Amino acid sequence: IAGITQAPTSQILAAGRRMTLRCTQDMRHNAMYWYRQDLGLGLRLIHYSNTAGTTGKGEVPDGYSVSRANTDDFPLTLASAVPSQTSVYFCASSDSVAGGTDTQYFGPGTRLTVL
Amino acid sequence: GQNIDQPTEMTATEGAIVQINCTYQTSGFNGLFWYQQHAGEAPTFLSYNVLDGLEEKGRFSSFLSRSKGYSYLLLKELQMKDSASYLCAALDSNYQLIWGAGTKLIIKP
Repeated sequence: IAGITQAPTSQILAAGRRMTLRCTQDMRHNAMYWYRQDLGLGLRLIHYSNTAGTTGKGEVPDGYSVSRANTDDFPLTLASAVPSQTSVYFCASSDSVAGGTDTQYFGPGTRLTVL
Repeated sequence: GQNIDQPTEMTATEGAIVQINCTYQTSGFNGLFWYQQHAGEAPTFLSYNVLDGLEEKGRFSSFLSRSKGYSYLLLKELQMKDSASYLCAALDSNYQLIWGAGTKLIIKP
């Protein structure tokens, strides 16, 4: 069982280019999340999805979009990348959103540099 | 606003005990998590507290006081592999996790 996979591992991107970060989980979790992690700051939620077919905005959604066509995949798209989007991006999943321990399990991350 | 505070960095000696504190202010509260993150890796789950008191898991223990908005992670018998960042996160009334910036723990021989 792989858990959560992310691709690519790292990417250097020219400003203005479009980029999709991929995330796939094989745990059949309902909820999935995208975070960015920047030095000196906590993980910040970009978008989330409580179940296939639904998405919601997190703390820092501007410049990003997501889709959730099925349970396993949750891609994050940067329509026109800007240097401030340079960050490490983590995808996570949890079995449910409300109730219980709601532990989130994280993918290995994508290190994105926008020049 | 919602806020999580934890020290930026701590240093401890191999074999010793260290306590990492976390204070939180959230709109509603549905529990507090601790995660461990080694450099260049993903965060991994350590503990979850929703009721007041101490939860022990081997060398790691986590404490919660809801009335004080306070938690700590206690690491005993420190090993070099415990060198990592420790992230505190509170689950708010909307079941969104609010994350602290993390405490970098440096273990010296």
